Amino acid sequence: DGGITQSPKYLFRKEGQNVTLSCEQNLNHDAMYWYRQDPGQGLRLIYYSQIVNDFQKGDIAEGYSVSREKKESFPLTVTSAQKNPTAFYLCASSIAYERRFEKLFFGSGTQLSVL
Amino acid sequence: AQSVTQLGSHVSVSEGALVLLRCNYSSSVPPYLFWYVQYPNQGLQLLLKYTTGATLVKGINGFEAEFKKSETSFHLTKPSAHMSDAAEYFCAVTHSGGYQKVTFGTGTKLQVIP
Repeated sequence: DGGITQSPKYLFRKEGQNVTLSCEQNLNHDAMYWYRQDPGQGLRLIYYSQIVNDFQKGDIAEGYSVSREKKESFPLTVTSAQKNPTAFYLCASSIAYERRFEKLFFGSGTQLSVL
Repeated sequence: AQSVTQLGSHVSVSEGALVLLRCNYSSSVPPYLFWYVQYPNQGLQLLLKYTTGATLVKGINGFEAEFKKSETSFHLTKPSAHMSDAAEYFCAVTHSGGYQKVTFGTGTKLQVIP
């Protein structure tokens, strides 16, 4: 079955450490997204990518970085500059960014906590 | 600019009772509207969406929503709640123009009481 795989499910970060969250999709989608979810705040967009080798900042990109070297993969790095990284991180994809009437497909998320 | 307001961060209903989750949106152009559901420690999945055409939209698991332009609303309903409906529900809005992203509401947690 096609879908989005996020790993790991749980991740712990030490002070000053960078950590990378994995996101892989086999849906052949062009667009991919990273969202941060905090209780009571809904989903906030961190970064998105419309196509391979291109990505754009979302609303809360500070302290995060991404790459899009392959169509299937969109890893997110939470850097030491992100002072409040504890949150649930969701990766999503869609057929194409401009087809906004199409739904988003979501992974099952990564819970990041600070040690 | 666009925005979404979900009234009530927590809603409790008895099993078998009507479910009504409220969503109001703000958009300067005709919107695309979505309801997503999230079960604990999982990602979101689409319940239903409105793009154009019929204003009453039916989705999965017996849910439906009605687009009311005059009220800028897209409330989600289900005639009879099941225990399995307990989850968090998110309303979202976007539109086709420019590079507007999808904007999500803050979510409503539905509790179903046996």
